[in-house]
Order: sequence, then structure tokens, then C-alpha cells
Amino acid sequence: GNSVTQMEGPVTLSEEAFLTINCTYTATGYPSLFWYVQYPGEGLQLLLKATKADDKGSNKGFEATYRKETTSFHLEKGSVQVSDSAVYFCALGFSGGYNKLIFGAGTRLAVHP
Amino acid sequence: DVKVTQSSRYLVKRTGEKVFLECVQDMDHENMFWYRQDPGLGLRLIYFSYDVKMKEKGDIPEGYSVSREKKERFSLILESASTNQTSMYLCASSSRDRGGTEAFFGQGTRLTVV
Repeated sequence: GNSVTQMEGPVTLSEEAFLTINCTYTATGYPSLFWYVQYPGEGLQLLLKATKADDKGSNKGFEATYRKETTSFHLEKGSVQVSDSAVYFCALGFSGGYNKLIFGAGTRLAVHP
Repeated sequence: DVKVTQSSRYLVKRTGEKVFLECVQDMDHENMFWYRQDPGLGLRLIYFSYDVKMKEKGDIPEGYSVSREKKERFSLILESASTNQTSMYLCASSSRDRGGTEAFFGQGTRLTVV
């Protein structure tokens, strides 16, 4: 079956530290991969996405590369800010049809000044 | 700006009550979804709908039903609320024609069943 595994949190960093949140997936076929972010008290927002192998998604200083050989989509940011504190979800979905998304468990990030 | 709106941010209901959670989207999307979010479990799909009056079970449909009488509105119904249904509920929508594109989420409804 299809599934997404994320590193457990919480991740606690100081401002300007380097961030990596690991995400691996299991899928039959060729999914699109997504990172969503949930700020406190809000719903989920799309952060970035990649639709095929070797694509790099990027937004707001965050990046993730679709690695088919390692079935991974790790989220990285070179210098985090306090405002990046949120819960981050990795997800996969398939083109066409119902566009159902399968989510990982989420990783909480706390950034301190 | 695209919008998915859930009718309540917070709800408190009693065990055994019938509960309605409403969701409206203004993007003319075909697909709509209800997820519940619990710590350590991520988002789990309850039901989804790909067209008016159509519905499909997700991964955890037990204890829930849905209604989609109009394209823009998707309702989640708890027939007889129980304490294990205390959770955050998230509605989402997406376009069927743009395969692989993202889903748009509402702000969530935090339901407490006492």
C-alpha cells in the first residue's frame, strides 16, 4: 500500500540553524510529493511540491528534492526563523481522479531566538 | 483568493448528540474531503466526494456519514457523537482536472465530545 513516514518530533532549533525533516514514502506507481505546513490554530497550507523524480520544490527558503532511488522527499532550510515554528506534514498523491492525499504523522518544529 | 470555510472553529457536544460539521469552498472544485487530525497520527481520511451526491469511504468512516447536495458544500455528520470522536476535523477541496495538484484546506474545527 501507499504510506508516508516522517521523522518524529518535536524538533527544537535555535534561530538561523539548519533544518532537515526527513520524509520517506512507499507507493505503487509515480506519486506527486508535497510538504504542507500548519501554523498554530490554522489549517494546512501547501509549502512546496514536486511532481516527478529529481524535481526540486522550493518556497520561502524551504527546499525538497524528489528522490526516487531512495524514495525520499526531505525538507531543508538553511536558516530557520522563529516564524517557521509550526507542524510540517509530508504527503503523497496521484495525478488525476480523486487526488486523495496520504499524509505522514507530522513533525513539530520549534525555533527559539 | 481561494477559500475553504468551515462553519465552526470550536464545538463542544454531548455524547449521543447528532453533530453536523459544514464546509464550503468557492473554487468550483469537484473533489472534497474530510480528515481528522490526531497527535502522532497525522491526518486520516474519513470520507471524500468527487461529485455532487457522490461519496466514497476513506480510511476511518465508522461512526460518520457525509452529505453533498451542492458542489460547493460538503457536510460531515456524526450520527451519535462519542468521546473518541474528540478531534480536529479538517475539510479540503481539490480540482479533478489538474491532476497531482494540491488540496486546499479549511481552518479546522476542534470538536470536543463530553
